Amino acid sequence: EIVMTQSPATLSVSPGERATLSCRASQSVSSNLAWYQQKPGQAPRLLIYGASTRATGIPARFSGSGSGTEFTLTISSLQSEDFAVYYCQQYNNWPLWTFGQGTKVEIK
Amino acid sequence: QVQLQESGPGLVKPSQTLSLTCTVSGGSISSGSYYWSWIRQPAGKGLEWIGRIYTSGSTNYNPSLKSRVTISVDTSKNQFSLKLSSVTAADTAVYYCARAGDYGDYGTPFDYWGQGTLVTVSS
Repeated sequence: EIVMTQSPATLSVSPGERATLSCRASQSVSSNLAWYQQKPGQAPRLLIYGASTRATGIPARFSGSGSGTEFTLTISSLQSEDFAVYYCQQYNNWPLWTFGQGTKVEIK
Repeated sequence: QVQLQESGPGLVKPSQTLSLTCTVSGGSISSGSYYWSWIRQPAGKGLEWIGRIYTSGSTNYNPSLKSRVTISVDTSKNQFSLKLSSVTAADTAVYYCARAGDYGDYGTPFDYWGQGTLVTVSS
C-alpha cells in the first residue's frame, strides 16, 4: 500500500496570502496524483489531476506541482471560499487507491 | 452533466449487511471507460477508498475490506451498489459514490461525487 502523508495538518493563513500544502508518497506515484477540496457537509471536489492540471472550472489561483513522491498544492491568494480541508490522492498503484489524511486551511 | 446520488438505510445493526445504491444520471453507466467507486469517511476523519467496478463489470477492492465487500452494477437501472457484510461500529461513516474518469495520460481521478449518505451502525 502506498501511504500518502500530508503536511501540515492545519495551516493558518490570512485572506489574500499564499498557502502551500505538501503531500508525500511512500513510493513513486509518477504524476498520478489528484488534489481535492472538501468543505463541511459537502463531498470532495476535484481541483487538480495529473499532479498539475486544473479540473474544469477551477480558478487559476490553484496550482499543483511535483512528481514521483513529492507534491505541492499552492493557492496563490486565499479567498474566503478557499478555507476548507484539502486531500491528495494517488491513483498510480493498482488496485489500491489511497488518500492523504488531509490539510485543514483555516483563517488566521 | 453527470450526477450521482446515494440511497439506502441510514441505520444498520451490528453484524448485519450494509447495502447502498448509487444512481447515475446524465450519462450511461455502461458507456465510456469509467471506474465507479465507493469511498467512505468517518466523522471528522479522512477518506477511505472501498472499491470500484469498471464499465466492463470487473471489480477491485481495498484489501482491508475485501473479505466483506461486494460491488455490483445494474445497467438497466443505471445504478451500482455496495454491500458490506458483518458491520461494526467502526463502519459508521458517510459513504460516497464517485466516478473515476479516464483522462488518458493524466490518469483516473475522481471527477464526479455523490453528496454522501451517513450510515450509522448501532443496535
